[in-house]
Amino acid sequence: DTAVSQTPKYLVTQMGNDKSIKCEQNLGHDTMYWYKQDSKKFLKIMFSYNNKELIINETVPNRFSPKSPDKAHLNLHINSLELGDSAVYFCASSPRSGGAGGTQYFGPGTRLTVL
Amino acid sequence: GNSVTQMEGPVTLSEEAFLTINCTYTATGYPSLFWYVQYPGEGLQLLLKATKADDKGSNKGFEATYRKETTSFHLEKGSVQVSDSAVYFCALRSAAGNKLTFGGGTRVLVKP
Repeated sequence: DTAVSQTPKYLVTQMGNDKSIKCEQNLGHDTMYWYKQDSKKFLKIMFSYNNKELIINETVPNRFSPKSPDKAHLNLHINSLELGDSAVYFCASSPRSGGAGGTQYFGPGTRLTVL
Repeated sequence: GNSVTQMEGPVTLSEEAFLTINCTYTATGYPSLFWYVQYPGEGLQLLLKATKADDKGSNKGFEATYRKETTSFHLEKGSVQVSDSAVYFCALRSAAGNKLTFGGGTRVLVKP
């Protein structure tokens, strides 16, 4: 019955590697998001897709590339990983973009550690 | 731009104590306001929300009232339990947009 799921839960890798994090939602929502939580617990949005279309792209290095094959999935690919990429990455989804009804539901997070 | 400011923690309380976490915001128009909770080692869960002025959100004994005149959305609980130990995030979403702007989080530790 998992609403928003992410894989993997933990990811440990070396600097310079390329890695992907996957997110799936079974809520029938139109909009999906990626957030980054740093070591001080500060949360900031990275990307948002609505029906597979990119609608939010915050100031994020272009080493980060989101991909949405369908509206239930939003994957995050990271090239040439750096130490500063170590964080917890949260996926979220909402029924639609904008408006009062778009409450966002979060996945369990992926803890990325770059060595 | 939008911003959310919440009190820094950690907040340490004894069981059955009264909890208040202050949250104020800056935004144009009429944003929706949220409280999310993150239990140790887990993801974010929506705790409560309010979408217009004077609305009161409530859940699990927690309450927060959307105060437009003071641009605040303070979280309160009358009697906390050890299981309430977590990090609490205040957030807003502008009326036109769909991205959440979060406060810095407040860690709450409830001791038996």
